Amino acid sequence: AQKVTQAQTEISVVEKEDVTLDCVYETRDTTYYLFWYKQPPSGELVFLIRRNSFDEQNEISGRYSWNFQKSTSSFNFTITASQVVDSAVYFCALIFSGGYNKLIFGAGTRLAVHP
Amino acid sequence: KAGVTQTPRYLIKTRGQQVTLSCSPISGHRSVSWYQQTPGQGLQFLFEYFSETQRNKGNFPGRFSGRQFSNSRSEMNVSTLELGDSALYLCASSSEGSSNSPLHFGNGTRLTVT
Repeated sequence: AQKVTQAQTEISVVEKEDVTLDCVYETRDTTYYLFWYKQPPSGELVFLIRRNSFDEQNEISGRYSWNFQKSTSSFNFTITASQVVDSAVYFCALIFSGGYNKLIFGAGTRLAVHP
Repeated sequence: KAGVTQTPRYLIKTRGQQVTLSCSPISGHRSVSWYQQTPGQGLQFLFEYFSETQRNKGNFPGRFSGRQFSNSRSEMNVSTLELGDSALYLCASSSEGSSNSPLHFGNGTRLTVT
């Protein structure tokens, strides 16, 4: 069975703080893909990053960085120097190869960044 | 390129009625997926279409159905609405529908069943 766990339901920080959103996944497949999406109040899910199971390199994009560790089945997301515009719900998701867009989503983490 | 467009944005229906939601994918995208989002169950996969064929289906009752047209536009239908069907319905498109392709989501249709 496949499962994605985001244990942090809500996180509240003050602007400029760094924040890490945790994601732990379960799958028996050897080939799979992990995603992070952001959902602002407007409702649409905004794609942030995709990582395949064979690529454990960490990635940095501006203030965003991702740490993928197969040994702990984790794919954590860090926002450096958070800003008010980062306030949203963030979802981690998993799909196995051949899954035809059937993403398994975590419950999401609501991030509130206060000025 | 225009993004994924979903219509209508809001719908209010009564129990027992049926409803049809529409989704226009990003130009050139041939795969369309539908998801239901509720506070209790979170984001759940409904089904996926590629070139007018349903390739994958989630664990939803037969009251939920969909189709895709030759221009890749998709519709989903919910018959005999129940209160529990109140949700945000999100449509997503991707270029090839492979697991590697990121999904691009629309703003959703918020359905309220009274």
